[in-house]
Amino acid sequence: SYVLTQPPSVSVAPGKTARITCGGNNIGSKSVHWYQQKPGQAPVLVIYYDSDRPSGIPERFSGSNSGNTATLTISRVEAGDEADYYCQVWDSSSAHVVFGGGTKLTVL
Amino acid sequence: EVQLLESGGGLVQPGGSLRLSCAASGFTFSSYAMSWVRQAPGKGLEWVSAISGSGGSTYYADSVKGRFTISRDNSKNTLYLQMNSLRAEDTAVYYCAKANGDYVGEGYYFDYWGQGTLVTVSS
Repeated sequence: SYVLTQPPSVSVAPGKTARITCGGNNIGSKSVHWYQQKPGQAPVLVIYYDSDRPSGIPERFSGSNSGNTATLTISRVEAGDEADYYCQVWDSSSAHVVFGGGTKLTVL
Repeated sequence: EVQLLESGGGLVQPGGSLRLSCAASGFTFSSYAMSWVRQAPGKGLEWVSAISGSGGSTYYADSVKGRFTISRDNSKNTLYLQMNSLRAEDTAVYYCAKANGDYVGEGYYFDYWGQGTLVTVSS
């Protein structure tokens, strides 16, 4: 089955740029979606179709996808961005939704 | 405003059964595929099951196939998850999630989530 690999944690200082990666075999051929989850809350969609932002999500959030790595980039990081982030794809070979293991973003 | 309200969680013994419900409002329910996604305590998200807008196509994670059944009643705007032969490892918060379209396939993602209902499997 298809596997998505994320780093367990990423740390960044306020005002800097955070990059969270999501690795998968030829992931660039798939559509990647990203969710933010704060403690005790349901996940929230922050990026869909690799790089599109839902309404209400700040422009500081952006995404890219090529080769074997998709990346969620958060510019000018704020304390309120501290959360767990998950990437997600549809694996057509298994007909399964697949989530990455999640990355905890810590704002120093 | 899209709203998804899960119910039916609780404490159940290993081997027992439970049925979760998700009442949807704020959108044309029958026009959107839906999914259940769970999260064990302190763990990441795990997709459980998906169903197309008409209910004609269903999909399951390997970990629940043969034990869980997803269904929907479009006349009642309600999604269900029948869970049988429950195991300790099924303990999790179960989220109902609305998909971005009627189909389940490439490009499938979740634009709205409920707040979740906790299922605890323990003796």
